[in-house]
Amino acid sequence: NAGVTQTPKFQVLKTGQSMTLQCAQDMNHEYMSWYRQDPGMGLRLIHYSVGAGITDQGEVPNGYNVSRSTTEDFPLRLLSAAPSQTSVYFCASSDPTRPSYNEQFFGPGTRLTVL
Amino acid sequence: AQKVTQAQTEISVVEKEDVTLDCVYETRDTTYYLFWYKQPPSGELVFLIRRNSFDEQNEISGRYSWNFQKSTSSFNFTITASQVVDSAVYFCALSEVLLYNNNDMRFGAGTRLTVKP
Repeated sequence: NAGVTQTPKFQVLKTGQSMTLQCAQDMNHEYMSWYRQDPGMGLRLIHYSVGAGITDQGEVPNGYNVSRSTTEDFPLRLLSAAPSQTSVYFCASSDPTRPSYNEQFFGPGTRLTVL
Repeated sequence: AQKVTQAQTEISVVEKEDVTLDCVYETRDTTYYLFWYKQPPSGELVFLIRRNSFDEQNEISGRYSWNFQKSTSSFNFTITASQVVDSAVYFCALSEVLLYNNNDMRFGAGTRLTVKP
């Protein structure tokens, strides 16, 4: 199993540009989440999904859109990038059918810089 | 609302010293999970331990040990005989089990541990 994969690893955008961060998992996990990591603030939840077709907002959802058309994929869209979105983005997945369903498996991260 | 506080922003020790990383949490729920993750300089997040709120037994795994105390809402992490490879940022996290669909994990700000040779 590849686990949770994210592409790209690095990205530089100009203010106002749009882009999609890709996330895929091959563990058949129903739950997937997006976090951003900023210095001194730990990881903060952006959006999450509990299954295909179902998404919800986390702690810091503004400026981001998500969709979940398949179990495997959970892309994160920045419609109009802003410098405040410069961060490291982590995708995670977990399996609600297991007793340890709260344990999240994280991807390697995408480092995004918005100029 | 759930909250995790890691008061130690940075800790520096010399190799072979013991070091304890503090984690204090807030939650209104009676059922929750606590986690520790390690983030080495390479950037990935490495799962270390998960503890549910009904299990207050301390756990030891090699040089790592965890002290969970509900009375003080703390879940501290101790590394015994630290090594240079332990240098990383360590995150404590809390996940409440309020509803079946809850998938909200809250992280502390992290503690950067530097182990010098």
